[in-house]
Amino acid sequence: AQSVTQLDSQVPVFEEAPVELRCNYSSSVSVYLFWYVQYPNQGLQLLLKYLSGSTLVESINGFEAEFNKSQTSFHLRKPSVHISDTAEYFCAVSLPIYNQGGKLIFGQGTELSVKP
Amino acid sequence: KAGVTQTPRYLIKTRGQQVTLSCSPISGHRSVSWYQQTPGQGLQFLFEYFSETQRNKGNFPGRFSGRQFSNSRSEMNVSTLELGDSALYLCASSLGRGLLRGEAFFGQGTRLTVV
Repeated sequence: AQSVTQLDSQVPVFEEAPVELRCNYSSSVSVYLFWYVQYPNQGLQLLLKYLSGSTLVESINGFEAEFNKSQTSFHLRKPSVHISDTAEYFCAVSLPIYNQGGKLIFGQGTELSVKP
Repeated sequence: KAGVTQTPRYLIKTRGQQVTLSCSPISGHRSVSWYQQTPGQGLQFLFEYFSETQRNKGNFPGRFSGRQFSNSRSEMNVSTLELGDSALYLCASSLGRGLLRGEAFFGQGTRLTVV
């Protein structure tokens, strides 16, 4: 079975500071990895994903995540955060198997709070 | 194009009642998945539908059921509601089977409160 652990439930940070949200996963088979963001009273939006290829993936709004197979991690980073980045962030995995790919397994979420 | 539409956005029900939630996927998307989000359990997979057939199911009791129509719209039903069913129910649509066929797009959710 697969599981996802987000190591920090809350991360407070000042505006323009760097931030890292940590995610570790457990799986006996290869997985696809995702980061989703959820703003208050909203659904989930895909931030970035790793399916294969380059282990460093980037989003259009400055976030990046690096897949580390040996450490089974997929940490999310941003060099300089904005107030508007305040939200809850979820790490998720899915299996690259046709009959399981529709199921996302989520971590418990990390609340990022950016203070002025 | 329009995103994933979930109706209603908010719902208050009494214990023992049943409820039906609706999800209209993005046009052209054929796969619909449902998730339950609670503060204690986080986001948990309920089930996935594709071509009107349930393809995958999470660990929820039989009170939770769903279906998908020929136009890919999906409904989720919860019977004999319990207080613990209070949650945000999220629907996600994607082009086809598995996330290889494109990312999953989520609706804004239906907030169900059971009193």
